[in-house]
Amino acid sequence: SQELEQSPQSLIVQEGKNLTINCTSSKTLYGLYWYKQKYGEGLIFLMMLQKGGEEKSHEKITAKLDEKKQQSSLHITASQPSHAGIYLCGADGPYAGNNRKLIWGLGTSLAVNP
Amino acid sequence: DAGVTQSPTHLIKTRGQQVTLRCSPKSGHDTVSWYQQALGQGPQFIFQYYEEEERQRGNFPDRFSGHQFPNYSSELNVNALLLGDSALYLCASSFSSSFNEQFFGPGTRLTVL
Repeated sequence: SQELEQSPQSLIVQEGKNLTINCTSSKTLYGLYWYKQKYGEGLIFLMMLQKGGEEKSHEKITAKLDEKKQQSSLHITASQPSHAGIYLCGADGPYAGNNRKLIWGLGTSLAVNP
Repeated sequence: DAGVTQSPTHLIKTRGQQVTLRCSPKSGHDTVSWYQQALGQGPQFIFQYYEEEERQRGNFPDRFSGHQFPNYSSELNVNALLLGDSALYLCASSFSSSFNEQFFGPGTRLTVL
């Protein structure tokens, strides 16, 4: 089963509307990353959250980490067509020496209609 | 700083052939990870290289192999290509000793016919 569940799978909003994307883990979160990907392109790092209750913002995008719920939410305020793309959450598994790998959600596809 | 670069951008192969993809990490990074991303899916971890050795591996068959060079650049090799190997292959670089975010390249789009 998928270790990271993202919801919704896809989203279509009108320009100017707010929206939220959720990422829920089935295991303890040690670090949560949000990335954005445009079709056929590499991933662009948005932000990283490491502590419960942590909240970070980048322009009109805000992400929070709820450690107890093992969940992170990504909120976009006053969406614009430039926000369109696929939003992926990634997480670190348990720390074991220097070995790290990211596990990923399946992504949320966002379309913003002008 | 050019960031993470990958080559080629696109590649078309036929079943049974072999392919080599290349990645140059961001300046100062010493760790390279490779991911496979099928259409509509999140990236799947293939393996990670550090100090020219494979440090960790995901759930991929031995047909997938790699190499890291002294300058930290890396190659991903896939033998005996299958149709299911068609995907976007992403390379990411990072520092080995911290939880810093990984920087991704633009990917190589592999199509197997």
